[in-house]
Amino acid sequence: DTGVSQDPRHKITKRGQNVTFRCDPISEHNRLYWYRQTLGQGPEFLTYFQNEAQLEKSRLLSDRFSAERPKGSFSTLEIQRTEQGDSAMYLCASTPLGFYGGNEQFFGPGTRLTVL
Amino acid sequence: AQKITQTQPGMFVQEKEAVTLDCTYDTSDQSYGLFWYKQPSSGEMIFLIYQGSYDEQNATEGRYSLNFQKARKSANLVISASQLGDSAMYFCAIRNAGNNRKLIWGLGTSLAVNP
Repeated sequence: DTGVSQDPRHKITKRGQNVTFRCDPISEHNRLYWYRQTLGQGPEFLTYFQNEAQLEKSRLLSDRFSAERPKGSFSTLEIQRTEQGDSAMYLCASTPLGFYGGNEQFFGPGTRLTVL
Repeated sequence: AQKITQTQPGMFVQEKEAVTLDCTYDTSDQSYGLFWYKQPSSGEMIFLIYQGSYDEQNATEGRYSLNFQKARKSANLVISASQLGDSAMYFCAIRNAGNNRKLIWGLGTSLAVNP
């Protein structure tokens, strides 16, 4: 197992277009998180899945954003009608259920979105 | 609500010297966890060190140590014997005690190690 993977690593799109990102967590990890990091800021929580259930969504996740985790494996984050303010690094992390303390959240390399 | 404050936007240190990166936190939870991550220019988040709120001893991981002062709500990261490869952004984060276990992050500190 090579860790959390995200695809694509970079995405450049024009304002108004839809984009979709994919995250493949570590296979035995039940929990999956999406964070957004804008330039010069720390990451901000977007949403969280336990298996296939989306248990929490941040108010940052407007109705243009939708996330899914079918079958509790990979997850997708879709942004519809992108705006320039959506330009950011989108980070995915996974955690094994029941583990506390230490390296809990394993992060992927991120997807860097640029909206022109 | 939980909050992390990192008051040092940028820090400089000479190679081989030690440096302390500040982090203060605010939480009403009795049980919580504090994390430090390193983010190089490539963007990935690299876990460095963890301190649980009930841990009596300060955490250490190789050249990294955490100066945990619970009463002052501070969790400063100390990097000893700085190396050029330590140049990166450093983030402090807190994990709440709730079921979601999401991380709340500070704004980060940019560390530059000078040769």
